[in-house]
Amino acid sequence: GAVVSQHPSRVICKSGTSVKIECRSLDFQATTMFWYRQFPKQSLMLMATSNEGSKATYEQGVEKDKFLINHASLTLSTLTVTSAHPEDSSFYICSAPEVWPTYEQYFGPGTRLTVT
Amino acid sequence: KQEVTQIPAALSVPEGENLVLNCSFTDSAIYNLQWFRQDPGKGLTSLLLIQSSQREQTSGRLNASLDKSSGRSTLYIAASQPGDSATYLCAVSTPVTSGSRLTFGEGTQLTVNP
Repeated sequence: GAVVSQHPSRVICKSGTSVKIECRSLDFQATTMFWYRQFPKQSLMLMATSNEGSKATYEQGVEKDKFLINHASLTLSTLTVTSAHPEDSSFYICSAPEVWPTYEQYFGPGTRLTVT
Repeated sequence: KQEVTQIPAALSVPEGENLVLNCSFTDSAIYNLQWFRQDPGKGLTSLLLIQSSQREQTSGRLNASLDKSSGRSTLYIAASQPGDSATYLCAVSTPVTSGSRLTFGEGTQLTVNP
């Protein structure tokens, strides 16, 4: 199946700093990518849809100025957590869907963010 | 709005038992349904993908069924092993304007005891 990578896998940063997470589709092009957040013992929550060449679409309750998304190419989307605070500590996962005919979603391995 | 429910939330069984995990969804207009496995602190591992036109998929000891009209899917695990212990997530892909959107259930935490 298709492969999606994420970098970094783990990051620890100080409160007030910004952190960038990359999501790459390695062997296919993705005009759309998705960013999820997962708190301990909870399911994945969709944060935003990243659209190549246009603005991202954010889910209700997700601050667009806090979580900046850039989808600069057909294989790369980035999520920047700006002015991070301890409550932003979480597991962030991206996915990229194959379009026709399967619409199967391929997930990255996730990024564990810890804000101290 | 698509809603996905998984039952039970947690399940503990002795090794060797066959078991069934349940998933239900509210909107039957789907592209596909995927079952994932997630180990603690790790990402998702895709187990099975069932297209909307299919009734079931099998991989090794796993069998997933789909009844789109009733909005239900089951994941059957045969001869369970301690290594099967993980959280199992069901996710439904639904058409949206820009393509597709995945909605997850809350998961079933499975523990297989030696």
